[in-house]
Amino acid sequence: AQKVTQAQTEISVVEKEDVTLDCVYETRDTTYYLFWYKQPPSGELVFLIRRNSFDEQNEISGRYSWNFQKSTSSFNFTITASQVVDSAVYFCALTNTNAGKSTFGDGTTLTVKP
Amino acid sequence: EAQVTQNPRYLITVTGKKLTVTCSQNMNHEYMSWYRQDPGLGLRQIYYSMNVEVTDKGDVPEGYKVSRKEKRNFPLILESPSPNQTSLYFCASTLAGVGYEQFFGPGTRLTVL
Repeated sequence: AQKVTQAQTEISVVEKEDVTLDCVYETRDTTYYLFWYKQPPSGELVFLIRRNSFDEQNEISGRYSWNFQKSTSSFNFTITASQVVDSAVYFCALTNTNAGKSTFGDGTTLTVKP
Repeated sequence: EAQVTQNPRYLITVTGKKLTVTCSQNMNHEYMSWYRQDPGLGLRQIYYSMNVEVTDKGDVPEGYKVSRKEKRNFPLILESPSPNQTSLYFCASTLAGVGYEQFFGPGTRLTVL
């Protein structure tokens, strides 16, 4: 069985603040991908970032960065200098690449105030 | 344009009346999935398919059926809908072997009275 936990249900920040969204996962598989998806108020689901289980290198892409630590089964996502348009629900997800099964966390609602 | 389409986008029906929600992708993706989204519960996988004629149960398959006769289509069937199946449904497709990120359809909001 696999599980994804997003302990933060809601986060509120003021524009230009940095914000980190936490994600902890459980899986017995050795081959998997981790993802962050964004769901803005308009409702569509948008892929943001991914990391495979063999690559713990942390990356930065524009205002987004992510920290993958296999030892603690965590995949945290940081938005630097947040903007009002970042207000959305963010989902962490895990996909088992051998079986195709995907598990999402319950989501973190981020509100960025002007 | 690369996309996942779902129809209908909105549906109000009554208990027990069979319905089908269609899903189609034009990206030649192998994997396809159905999810339901309920407040506070995130997205829960209903069924997934790794290729034509290959389907498997997700976390919440009860009350649903799927079929994968063609690579591009993955319809979701509710043979006898009940009010607890009122939800927002998303179809997604994935290109296996390259990143595995999912491309989602626009969603179907289903209300069962």
